[in-house]
Amino acid sequence: EIVLTQSPDTLSLSPGERATLSCRASQSVSSYLAWYQQRPGQAPRLLIYDASTRATGIPARFSGSGSGTDFTLTVSSLEPEDFAIYYCQQRSNWPLTFGGGTKVEIK
Amino acid sequence: EVQVVESGGGLVQPGGSLRLSCEVSGFTFSDYWMSWVRQAPGKGLEWVASIKPDGSEEYYVDSVKGRFTISRDNAKKSLYLQMNSLRADDTAVYYCVGSSWDCWGQGTLVTVSS
Repeated sequence: EIVLTQSPDTLSLSPGERATLSCRASQSVSSYLAWYQQRPGQAPRLLIYDASTRATGIPARFSGSGSGTDFTLTVSSLEPEDFAIYYCQQRSNWPLTFGGGTKVEIK
Repeated sequence: EVQVVESGGGLVQPGGSLRLSCEVSGFTFSDYWMSWVRQAPGKGLEWVASIKPDGSEEYYVDSVKGRFTISRDNAKKSLYLQMNSLRADDTAVYYCVGSSWDCWGQGTLVTVSS
């Protein structure tokens, strides 16, 4: 099983600041990595797939990078609605796995 | 407009069974893998199972193998999860996910408790 480790657990930032979230895989997942956002009480929403491709309707302030074992999700300038929990997911191998999540909270 | 609607959740005793259903509209159901993902209260996301578009392949997380069965009816644009021998640690919101992982339902809560 591929283990995904997300860091940090919590990121405390102010609106307008840049957020940088990390996801590290226990073995290579090539570029088969996705990022999701989950707001309180809502279902997750796909942000990024194939490591760097934005899903339909996702604002350009969200970007993904990386390949192999190290990946990054960047939010260039945080909007109020971006304060949420973010999960990475690998789709390279069965079983599919998610990281433990990073909470982006208002400082 | 895409709609993914789960149903069938509820309270069940340990050892009991439950069948979740998911009805889809707004995308070509028969073209896509479909999956179930769960989230225990206050916890992160856990992939549970996935099924190929034609139903010929199924994959499960180890903790549910032999107890849960994923299936689909392409004519009815519906996905199912038969859950048997339920345990307390199966308590979670269960999400139906489709298309290219960009279509999620709002989830249905399964509570396993005596």
